Amino acid sequence: DAKTTQPPSMDCAEGRAANLPCNHSTISGNEYVYWYRQIHSQGPQYIIHGLKNNETNEMASLIITEDRKSSTLILPHATLRDTAVYYCIVLILLNQFYFGTGTSLTVIP
Amino acid sequence: GAVVSQHPSWVICKSGTSVKIECRSLDFQATTMFWYRQFPKQSLMLMATSNEGSKATYEQGVEKDKFLINHASLTLSTLTVTSAHPEDSSFYICSARDIGVSGINQPQHFGDGTRLSIL
Repeated sequence: DAKTTQPPSMDCAEGRAANLPCNHSTISGNEYVYWYRQIHSQGPQYIIHGLKNNETNEMASLIITEDRKSSTLILPHATLRDTAVYYCIVLILLNQFYFGTGTSLTVIP
Repeated sequence: GAVVSQHPSWVICKSGTSVKIECRSLDFQATTMFWYRQFPKQSLMLMATSNEGSKATYEQGVEKDKFLINHASLTLSTLTVTSAHPEDSSFYICSARDIGVSGINQPQHFGDGTRLSIL
């Protein structure tokens, strides 16, 4: 039931920006895009969410294309602690989240 | 920020026993909580939606008599794995959304999970 597609894995050098893409081509006009990450053996951690405008918080930036069919999560200065699985989720009915396979990000020293 | 607590964080028990997992929202109220299961190297799979004061809604393929859910208050939901067997061993995670924050777009907050091992 996941409505998103993400690359299975990515590497990023420590200190550089990590850009994680997500395709959600079937997204509806009122559906939000959420990003979470999961560090091994922990529960998912909320990062950011948005509808159509770009969003930024203390953790990351979210860039959503004008047609809303894809988005990119940007971690501006990746650290080793950012190594995790990142999930892009489109909220469906009744506030239920259906997780896709996510992107396993490895930050390399 | 909003905190969701799960207890226990780790449980090991014999096959055939029942195990109860608690999910609490510590600093907010939640009319709806969600239960997920995650097998090693796999993504989270939504099992059921827990509704305060009413019956839970189960996803297709999830046995409601096997996984009993009770949501008796606005801060507590419990998942009981009845007559657990080794194939029920998994990482169980709950989430909740703060009803005090307006807007259906508010994010869900996740607990740190319960690792269940059935011998």
